[in-house]
Amino acid sequence: GDSVTQMEGPVTLSEEAFLTINCTYTATGYPSLFWYVQYPGEGLQLLLKATKADDKGSNKGFEATYRKETTSFHLEKGSVQVSDSAVYFCALRTLSGNTPLVFGKGTRLSVIA
Amino acid sequence: GAVVSQHPSWVICKSGTSVKIECRSLDFQATTMFWYRQFPKQSLMLMATSNEGSKATYEQGVEKDKFLINHASLTLSTLTVTSAHPEDSSFYICSARGGGGQGANSPLHFGNGTRLTVT
Repeated sequence: GDSVTQMEGPVTLSEEAFLTINCTYTATGYPSLFWYVQYPGEGLQLLLKATKADDKGSNKGFEATYRKETTSFHLEKGSVQVSDSAVYFCALRTLSGNTPLVFGKGTRLSVIA
Repeated sequence: GAVVSQHPSWVICKSGTSVKIECRSLDFQATTMFWYRQFPKQSLMLMATSNEGSKATYEQGVEKDKFLINHASLTLSTLTVTSAHPEDSSFYICSARGGGGQGANSPLHFGNGTRLTVT
């Protein structure tokens, strides 16, 4: 079945450091790929998405590129802030019928000043 | 934007009692809602898919008699944890599809989750 593997945390960075959270996937079809963020005490929010190969999703300084050849969707940000501290989930969804999201385990990011 | 309200945000109950969690789509109609469970340091695991007006479809390993799901209207789905036990303590999140796009392209919107602690 479909699955998502993302790097385990926690990840601790200093403010303004470069962030990469790796995510790879396995899917039978051609999925859409997502990054969700869960801030402390809150629900999941969509951070960015990409629906086809070579698409780049971006939002709030975060970027991720859909790489079909490596089945990856790594999340990057050039300069993190304390407010970026959260848990980040990589997810996929195969657009066929009534399909839910398949999530990775989540990566906790802590940014210190 | 589309909002999903989940209530309660946290609940503590005694072993053997039942707890109901509500998931409402506030400004859109959600024909489909998904219920997830999040274990500590693990991923969100899909429990069931709920379609308005029909029986929920449960994932393998999820006890349908223990986790009762009702989706009686286009804006409300409920998850009832019956005869709760400490091992049911977890974070439960609902997701509703709708509020734009068509069919499978409709976006998914998440509630804020419910932290259940069974003592």
